[in-house]
Amino acid sequence: DTGVSQNPRHKITKRGQNVTFRCDPISEHNRLYWYRQTLGQGPEFLTYFQNEAQLEKSRLLSDRFSAERPKGSFSTLEIQRTEQGDSAMYLCASSRRTGGGYGYEQYFGPGTRLTVT
Amino acid sequence: AQKVTQAQTEISVVEKEDVTLDCVYETRDTTYYLFWYKQPPSGELVFLIRRNSFDEQNEISGRYSWNFQKSTSSFNFTITASQVVDSAVYFCALSEAEYNAGNMLTFGGGTRLMVKP
Repeated sequence: DTGVSQNPRHKITKRGQNVTFRCDPISEHNRLYWYRQTLGQGPEFLTYFQNEAQLEKSRLLSDRFSAERPKGSFSTLEIQRTEQGDSAMYLCASSRRTGGGYGYEQYFGPGTRLTVT
Repeated sequence: AQKVTQAQTEISVVEKEDVTLDCVYETRDTTYYLFWYKQPPSGELVFLIRRNSFDEQNEISGRYSWNFQKSTSSFNFTITASQVVDSAVYFCALSEAEYNAGNMLTFGGGTRLMVKP
């Protein structure tokens, strides 16, 4: 049973460029979450998917951010026109949701560290 | 709105000492989940425990134990006989637990634990 994987692990980009990150969840997990973690802080929720449907987005997710999960498998997070304030660790997590409608604990990937110069 | 407070930003102990990490939470939900995650220097968040709000039994797992007290909105974590490998940042987190809820995690700011040999 492989864990959550994320690529790339590190990304350095210049301000104004677009970047895309990928997350591959644990295979039987139907929920996928994106979080952002800045240095010395706890992770903050960005958005989540149940299968291919994006069900909630945080107000932290500006119009420059977009996430997709085609076919309910892997997910991508794109940031357009990056700003220095976007520098952070972007974490992906996945979990099961039972047929009864309740959630389970989330398992996290290693994260993608973004540095915007 | 949900909030998790970890008042201890950094704790330093000598190996074999016992250490308690404090977590205080705020929520208006009547049912909720509480979690602890460990983030070692490698950066990946590791799930440690989930508790339901209606289950106030304390839990012990090896050297780890958790004390959940609904009356004081606290969910404290104790490591007995600490080891150098316990050095990490520990996060307490909270999520709603209603049927069909999104279960997004609200994290505290984390406590950095340093165990010296």
